Amino acid sequence: DTGVSQDPRHKITKRGQNVTFRCDPISEHNRLYWYRQTLGQGPEFLTYFQNEAQLEKSRLLSDRFSAERPKGSFSTLEIQRTEQGDSAMYLCASSLARVTEAFFGQGTRLTVV
Amino acid sequence: DAKTTQPNSMESNEEEPVHLPCNHSTISGTDYIHWYRQLPSQGPEYVIHGLTSNVNNRMASLAIAEDRKSSTLILHRATLRDAAVYYCILLGFQGAQKLVFGQGTRLTINP
Repeated sequence: DTGVSQDPRHKITKRGQNVTFRCDPISEHNRLYWYRQTLGQGPEFLTYFQNEAQLEKSRLLSDRFSAERPKGSFSTLEIQRTEQGDSAMYLCASSLARVTEAFFGQGTRLTVV
Repeated sequence: DAKTTQPNSMESNEEEPVHLPCNHSTISGTDYIHWYRQLPSQGPEYVIHGLTSNVNNRMASLAIAEDRKSSTLILHRATLRDAAVYYCILLGFQGAQKLVFGQGTRLTINP
């Protein structure tokens, strides 16, 4: 297991289209987090899972965003009807527990044109 | 959520020690102090964390004030590869259940 992997690494989409990103966490990690990062800013929390349960969602996560983690393994983040403001780096992270170190993936860079 | 305050930017020279400060005056007794860094075009990377005692690992040292209201990340001998944004984050068993990133400190290393 080489770490957290995210797919795709880059996505260019037209405004109004739906996109889905995938995150594969480190296998024994029960916590999984999604963040969004725009240029020059720190990562902003979107949502997190403990196993398959989605325990918290940020107010940033509008109705167009949905995340799942079936069976507590990989996770998907879907954005419906993309807008230009959705252009950002989407980061996934996983950890064993709340206060232990989190491992981040390389991110998926979304560009909405 | 307990808040941290860091300088926006710092600059140092290669092969010299770097001391990155962080203030967290509202820290609670169960909050751990975490440091992450983010190199250009990469996801954040864990550096170190501690609760009360100073901590050392292969990447850095963490010095925690006795009252825990501030801490310092120490890079003993900076290299060009240490140029990154460094984030100081509080994480504990109460309050925030996740890492909350601020603006961090952008560290520039001069050759």
